[in-house]
Amino acid sequence: GEDVEQSLFLSVREGDSSVINCTYTDSSSTYLYWYKQEPGAGLQLLTYIFSNMDMKQDQRLTVLLNKKDKHLSLRIADTQTGDSAIYFCAVADQAGTALIFGKGTTLSVSS
Amino acid sequence: EAGVTQFPSHSVIEKGQTVTLRCDPISGHDNLYWYRRVMGKEIKFLLHFVKESKQDESGMPNNRFLAERTGGTYSTLKVQPAELEDSGVYFCASSKGRGASKNIQYFGAGTRLSVL
Repeated sequence: GEDVEQSLFLSVREGDSSVINCTYTDSSSTYLYWYKQEPGAGLQLLTYIFSNMDMKQDQRLTVLLNKKDKHLSLRIADTQTGDSAIYFCAVADQAGTALIFGKGTTLSVSS
Repeated sequence: EAGVTQFPSHSVIEKGQTVTLRCDPISGHDNLYWYRRVMGKEIKFLLHFVKESKQDESGMPNNRFLAERTGGTYSTLKVQPAELEDSGVYFCASSKGRGASKNIQYFGAGTRLSVL
């Protein structure tokens, strides 16, 4: 079945850029997603990219998609302490409905 | 517009008891999903409703779990009897199901279930 892999931890300094990487096994998903979970909060849809795009930029966030390598990344420019959270990569299953999540990358931002 | 709301936010019960979780989707969203994350594991899909019909319940772990969505509005997920391994965070999500971005899923804050 579909598998989504992420590194578990990332530590950066405030003001630096953060890059969170994700690989997946099945490329049939129409959209690929990044969700953010702040401490004690639910899953917030951060951004998503349509599968026929290579890049999507939204303010400080840049999503890159390499379909050939089945690699998705999220870049956060000028990382702030408020960006500290768990970031989940997700793709849809072959039916296009259920989301398959990675284990989440915990981003720690130090001042 | 209100987001996906879940109740309760936290439930602590003893093994063998029954717990019912509730989810109110975003108004007008036909699709409703349940997911859960047990300790240290990935967030896993449980089931999917389209309006009041169960479209896919392949992720339901066993028959101790019962989900309903009477009238196609809110949904409940009942665990009876609860076991220790049921502890985790249960998330609900909804999507429009039609039009642009029909499958984009928006999540609630989750219900943290602790079975002692």
